[in-house]
Amino acid sequence: DQQVKQNSPSLSVQEGRISILNCDYTNSMFDYFLWYKKYPAEGPTFLISISSIKDKNEDGRFTVFLNKSAKHLSLHIVPSQPGDSAVYFCAVSGSARQLTFGSGTQLTVLP
Amino acid sequence: DAGITQSPRHKVTETGTPVTLRCHQTENHRYMYWYRQDPGHGLRLIHYSYGVKDTDKGEVSDGYSVSRSKTEDFLLTLESATSSQTSVYFCAIMEGNTGELFFGEGSRLTVL
Repeated sequence: DQQVKQNSPSLSVQEGRISILNCDYTNSMFDYFLWYKKYPAEGPTFLISISSIKDKNEDGRFTVFLNKSAKHLSLHIVPSQPGDSAVYFCAVSGSARQLTFGSGTQLTVLP
Repeated sequence: DAGITQSPRHKVTETGTPVTLRCHQTENHRYMYWYRQDPGHGLRLIHYSYGVKDTDKGEVSDGYSVSRSKTEDFLLTLESATSSQTSVYFCAIMEGNTGELFFGEGSRLTVL
């Protein structure tokens, strides 16, 4: 039973437009919600996170939104750049200090 | 840079042989993790450690064992490798209390 789902395996966006990546989770007890970015042949790198007590967190071009009632997390990238092309994983963290990841979404930003 | 080194970075082995992957960190972090990445599955937790000689199982621990005899080293062992264990393996450490993980560059294992 998947606790974290990313239902879109891939997403293509034009350069300069907004990219919206989505993630759904099943357990209300998670404390933190995170996004990671992964380029080929590299390890995942932390991008942005949000605490369960907030509904929005912004860092430059990246904004994460948390809708607890819907158990839904989203990442907005504005404006999208070709260098943003990567696989994006959402992840959830609880008291056990373990991260559970979604299956990932391949973002392609077209020049 | 979280100072994480994985070795070997690439390995090809045959079914039934033992394999050990090493993760080395330089910053004395308490929590260390082994994940595997497979297409369509994302990153799945194999085992993790919360201190020297303190380890626990993750989501996909069958066929894997771990050891942590020193703070800086976390070893992942496949006692008898199978083709289903062909994957990319990532080690990670956790900083702080917000769940933020820092990953190594990965070890690509191919079991023929």
